[in-house]
Amino acid sequence: EAQVTQNPRYLITVTGKKLTVTCSQNMNHEYMSWYRQDPGLGLRQIYYSMNVEVTDKGDVPEGYKVSRKEKRNFPLILESPSPNQTSLYFCACSFSSGSINEQFFGPGTRLTVL
Amino acid sequence: GESVGLHLPTLSVQEGDNSIINCAYSNSASDYFIWYKQESGKGPQFIIDIRSNMDKRQGQRVTVLLNKTVKHLSLQIAATQPGDSAVYFCAERNSGNTPLVFGKGTRLSVIA
Repeated sequence: EAQVTQNPRYLITVTGKKLTVTCSQNMNHEYMSWYRQDPGLGLRQIYYSMNVEVTDKGDVPEGYKVSRKEKRNFPLILESPSPNQTSLYFCACSFSSGSINEQFFGPGTRLTVL
Repeated sequence: GESVGLHLPTLSVQEGDNSIINCAYSNSASDYFIWYKQESGKGPQFIIDIRSNMDKRQGQRVTVLLNKTVKHLSLQIAATQPGDSAVYFCAERNSGNTPLVFGKGTRLSVIA
């Protein structure tokens, strides 16, 4: 089954404790992206990657890092989480950068930073 | 399920009726307009897109209309079903590798 998986699905942590949210896709898609979703603000892009070893900042990259060492994985790293990073996070992928309109989203990761 | 927006505009529709969800966009240079559906507890799901050189596109039970004069986009769902209950997001983007810019969403509730 074609899917995007995220782990963990739920996480409660404390300020400053480094964490990683993993994202993996089995569709051999080139383009991957991370979004955060906040009430009243909709979905905002954090980082994206057009292919292996190619990553770029989205609209709200501050406080986040990503890596794309393999095509299937695109982890989101919070080196020193802060309460304003409490949010619902989604990973997404599309076949290529030419098909960004149609992205396949993961189930989401609910992060709470105390 | 996950709460994606506590104060979203809400549209309530009787099962079997047609639904029209509206979206105003701001960037007259946007080249693509896209609709996504997000069910409770799930990630967004692509529905349909339309390019700026078109004013109408039809899919299965859905039609997207684009009015560039007034920067307005709408999604029409025919014969709305309970499974259509979700939050619907419009998104826009320029051509090339530019990212999607999402709107804030509209909650559609289908009354059985």
